[in-house]
Amino acid sequence: DAKTTQPNSMESNEEEPVHLPCNHSTISGTDYIHWYRQLPSQGPEYVIHGLTSNVNNRMASLAIAEDRKSSTLILHRATLRDAAVYYCILRVDLRSNYQLIWGAGTKLIIKP
Amino acid sequence: KAGVTQTPRYLIKTRGQQVTLSCSPISGHRSVSWYQQTPGQGLQFLFEYFSETQRNKGNFPGRFSGRQFSNSRSEMNVSTLELGDSALYLCASSLRGQGANTGELFFGEGSRLTVL
Repeated sequence: DAKTTQPNSMESNEEEPVHLPCNHSTISGTDYIHWYRQLPSQGPEYVIHGLTSNVNNRMASLAIAEDRKSSTLILHRATLRDAAVYYCILRVDLRSNYQLIWGAGTKLIIKP
Repeated sequence: KAGVTQTPRYLIKTRGQQVTLSCSPISGHRSVSWYQQTPGQGLQFLFEYFSETQRNKGNFPGRFSGRQFSNSRSEMNVSTLELGDSALYLCASSLRGQGANTGELFFGEGSRLTVL
């Protein structure tokens, strides 16, 4: 079964970069890696996704290992508003039944 | 542009009752997905509807059902409620669904169901 493993929590200082790791050793060739974050009392919010190559957008960067068994979400300069639970997710293709398989998430704590 | 709207936000039911939750997607979005979020199991996929048809389904019992209307609004129903159904139920809309490589789902704030 497709599965992701993340640290339960991480701490970082404000205005410093944050690297959030994710292991997905059972990933298959067609599985996309997605990241969402969930702020307190809100629904999840899309952050970034990728397949094989590293990806950048205005929110973050996604670095994908060459063997695709792990990835890292990079927040270049964390602010207090980035404090949230970050989910690493695999989008799997079960005979055209696409599902997002969510990890348990990493609670990111930002210290002022 | 209005976001995803879920109603009701909070509700309390007793075991054996049934419940219907509603989701209005972002205008123009044809896909609506439903998720259950609990502290123990995290976020789990329930089902996805696209243009009034159920396109994908997770591993939940038949007590969980849904439908989508011609205006893309969706409802999910849980019958014969159990204590373990207490959860935050999240709805997400997207332009082309979870199968599209563009990827982005837009979530509502959820409906928090408590079963006593």
